[in-house]
Amino acid sequence: DARVTQTPRHKVTEMGQEVTMRCQPILGHNTVFWYRQTMMQGLELLAYFRNRAPLDDSGMPKDRFSAEMPDATLATLKIQPSEPRDSAVYFCASGLVPGPSNQPQHFGDGTRLSIL
Amino acid sequence: KNQVEQSPQSLIILEGKNCTLQCNYTVSPFSNLRWYKQDTGRGPVSLTIMTFSENTKSNGRYTATLDADTKQSSLHITASQLSDSASYICVVSVNTNAGKSTFGDGTTLTVKP
Repeated sequence: DARVTQTPRHKVTEMGQEVTMRCQPILGHNTVFWYRQTMMQGLELLAYFRNRAPLDDSGMPKDRFSAEMPDATLATLKIQPSEPRDSAVYFCASGLVPGPSNQPQHFGDGTRLSIL
Repeated sequence: KNQVEQSPQSLIILEGKNCTLQCNYTVSPFSNLRWYKQDTGRGPVSLTIMTFSENTKSNGRYTATLDADTKQSSLHITASQLSDSASYICVVSVNTNAGKSTFGDGTTLTVKP
């Protein structure tokens, strides 16, 4: 089965450091999403791209977060500088929109980020 | 404000028993409702997707129902197995641009032998 691949799976770093998370969407999918999941907030949409163009990043703290898609096989989410409150699991998902019968989003297994 | 509320927050059942999870939403205009299963340490996996015109959909032992009039959905799990232990998340989208979705906080199901 095709899968969304995220790297790294785990990241521990000190506050103030730059963090880069990477995502390889499923080949052929035209929409890529970045989510953050915490115990307190659940799943929150940070940003999403359609055909590599950013469509909505209103969920992202823009002073420190940035999301890009340098090509169709790679999406990145960067945090600079990182803060302890950024500790969470970050998920990437991809999908085909519009698609038949409202195709689901396919999620990666996430990057578990801990900022000390 | 668009909201999705799930109940119960957590549930413990014995293996082999059935259970039903609830999802109430105030999202409008409605496009589709999805149920996801999320195992510990993994990403969510889609179980079912229902549009306005569908009121039931099955995926193996999982059956989702939708009442668009009352804005309620349920996920019924039949003959539960230990592997059903997970978080179940209800997601409602307002249009076919799938990024505009509202997520519930999930129900944590524990199946005990």
